[in-house]
Amino acid sequence: NAGVMQNPRHLVRRRGQEARLRCSPMKGHSHVYWYRQLPEEGLKFMVYLQKENIIDESGMPKERFSAEFPKEGPSILRIQQVVRGDSAAYFCASRELINNEQFFGPGTRLTVL
Amino acid sequence: DAKTTQPPSMDCAEGRAANLPCNHSTISGNEYVYWYRQIHSQGPQYIIHGLKNNETNEMASLIITEDRKSSTLILPHATLRDTAVYYCIVHGSGNTGKLIFGQGTTLQVKP
Repeated sequence: NAGVMQNPRHLVRRRGQEARLRCSPMKGHSHVYWYRQLPEEGLKFMVYLQKENIIDESGMPKERFSAEFPKEGPSILRIQQVVRGDSAAYFCASRELINNEQFFGPGTRLTVL
Repeated sequence: DAKTTQPPSMDCAEGRAANLPCNHSTISGNEYVYWYRQIHSQGPQYIIHGLKNNETNEMASLIITEDRKSSTLILPHATLRDTAVYYCIVHGSGNTGKLIFGQGTTLQVKP
């Protein structure tokens, strides 16, 4: 059973461009979480999704950030018009319906030039 | 979710047991104690969780005090690969499951 997969592992964007981060949860997992880790800081919750539904987006910045988890395919975290302050590691985690243990992917490291 | 308090850093000799404490004095009856760790720059890794009974798995043991106000994660034979930041997180089964990470404890295992 493959673990949580994220791609790309490293992403470089110039200011103003769009960044798309993908997360494929573990097989059988229908719950996906996104977390952000700014340089030298702790992990911060961003958004929690189930298939086709955003359940909790209380940690998402109000502008430029969006997330989806379609019926088919990976979950996508989209950052529009990136700024240097968006440079961070973005981690995705998934879990089963009845268990709360979350399994994390290797992360996507976004660098904004 | 209850707030947790952990020491910022600890050292442990390789091969010895590492005992990582966590205080969660405001924990409520339906809240679990979870432990995760993050090895340098990698994604966090689930270790163990418990409600009120002590728990053991292939990675670690979790000892929860009778009043549930504190717990200890035990790595029985620490190796250099156990060097990581360890997070103690408390949350209830009724919430969305989002993890609120504190600063954790940086465990340095030394040869």
